[in-house]
Amino acid sequence: GENVEQHPSTLSVQEGDSAVIKCTYSDSASNYFPWYKQELGKRPQLIIDIRSNVGEKKDQRIAVTLNKTAKHFSLHITETQPEDSAVYFCAVIQGGSEKLVFGKGTKLTVNP
Amino acid sequence: NAGVMQNPRHLVRRRGQEARLRCSPMKGHSHVYWYRQLPEEGLKFMVYLQKENIIDESGMPKERFSAEFPKEGPSILRIQQVVRGDSAAYFCASSPPGPRKTGELFFGEGSRLTVL
Repeated sequence: GENVEQHPSTLSVQEGDSAVIKCTYSDSASNYFPWYKQELGKRPQLIIDIRSNVGEKKDQRIAVTLNKTAKHFSLHITETQPEDSAVYFCAVIQGGSEKLVFGKGTKLTVNP
Repeated sequence: NAGVMQNPRHLVRRRGQEARLRCSPMKGHSHVYWYRQLPEEGLKFMVYLQKENIIDESGMPKERFSAEFPKEGPSILRIQQVVRGDSAAYFCASSPPGPRKTGELFFGEGSRLTVL
């Protein structure tokens, strides 16, 4: 099955700095790569996603890049704010199935 | 348009009891997924259902766990004879019927099970 590795597991940045979280996957047939944000005690919420036919997608301060050859994709948050503090999960749709396989998460802390 | 509704939000059970978790998908959605999240960990896929059909249960433990999504009513995740290791947050997600953006899931707020 699909194996998704996410790094780092924790990340602490100063307000205004950029944060980058990276995920690698194993199934070359995977074609959908979402990122979810989960605040403490809350549900995961989709913040951005990318499909395999593009290499980059941006939405205000958030961007995702995809390298299909190397089988990795990254979340970039610029001008971080304290409210960006949360756990971020990458996910990959397993090829030939309907299920999302999640990384183990990155706890981001933005210090004011 | 109400989101994915899960209940109960919190459930406490003693070892050996049964836990029933319910999920009503978003209006118009016919695909339901259940995920389990242990403290400080990611989301583990359990089962994927459509109305009256289990499509993929590869993540379900072979014993004590079952899921259904009847023609009428919510999807139910049932855990029999609970043990302490079942303590976790159980999230339900739904997606609309195809043709659709494969993989796009909408999550409920979760049901937090505590086994004493």
